[in-house]
Amino acid sequence: AQSVTQLDSHVSVSEGTPVLLRCNYSSSYSPSLFWYVQHPNKGLQLLLKYTSAATLVKGINGFEAEFKKSETSFHLTKPSAHMSDAAEYFCVVSDRAGGYQKVTFGTGTKLQVIP
Amino acid sequence: NAGVTQTPKFRVLKTGQSMTLLCAQDMNHEYMYWYRQDPGMGLRLIHYSVGEGTTAKGEVPDGYNVSRLKKQNFLLGLESAAPSQTSVYFCATRQGNTEAFFGQGTRLTVV
Repeated sequence: AQSVTQLDSHVSVSEGTPVLLRCNYSSSYSPSLFWYVQHPNKGLQLLLKYTSAATLVKGINGFEAEFKKSETSFHLTKPSAHMSDAAEYFCVVSDRAGGYQKVTFGTGTKLQVIP
Repeated sequence: NAGVTQTPKFRVLKTGQSMTLLCAQDMNHEYMYWYRQDPGMGLRLIHYSVGEGTTAKGEVPDGYNVSRLKKQNFLLGLESAAPSQTSVYFCATRQGNTEAFFGQGTRLTVV
């Protein structure tokens, strides 16, 4: 079965401090994993993706994520938060469950950045 | 190159009215998806299509119908709108196991 769990619905950090957004997944196949960001009243923008190459993936705006198969995790990190990072972040898993490219979204984590 | 275009961007419907949302893509992608986004629930899959002429039910298909007569277009229909269908609707496309590309969303209010 395919599922994704974002462990925190809200995360609050001070500007300049590290960001950690947690994501655990379940997949019966070799999954692809993604992080998307959504700013208020905007569409979804791809931050980064893992598709079975390097397990440490670097994305846009200084974000990165590490695929850990043993822990079934794909946590998103950034060394230093910026005010413009305030947004909602979605972890997404995709695999060929049922013979097609099934895609499942997490419920989202809202990141608040405090000046 | 517009990518994924949704129309309309905003709409207010009365209960019982019908409408169609259009998703158009110019990337020649096989897969197309319709999602709804509600607070605290992430994006939930309504219907999807794996190619021209094919459609299938997703996680929350009740009250919606879809058609994919042309590869580039994926239509989402509401035959009799209900307040529970008030939501933001997103269309997405992808090819294989690459990332999905999203439209800008349609904000629908049913009163």
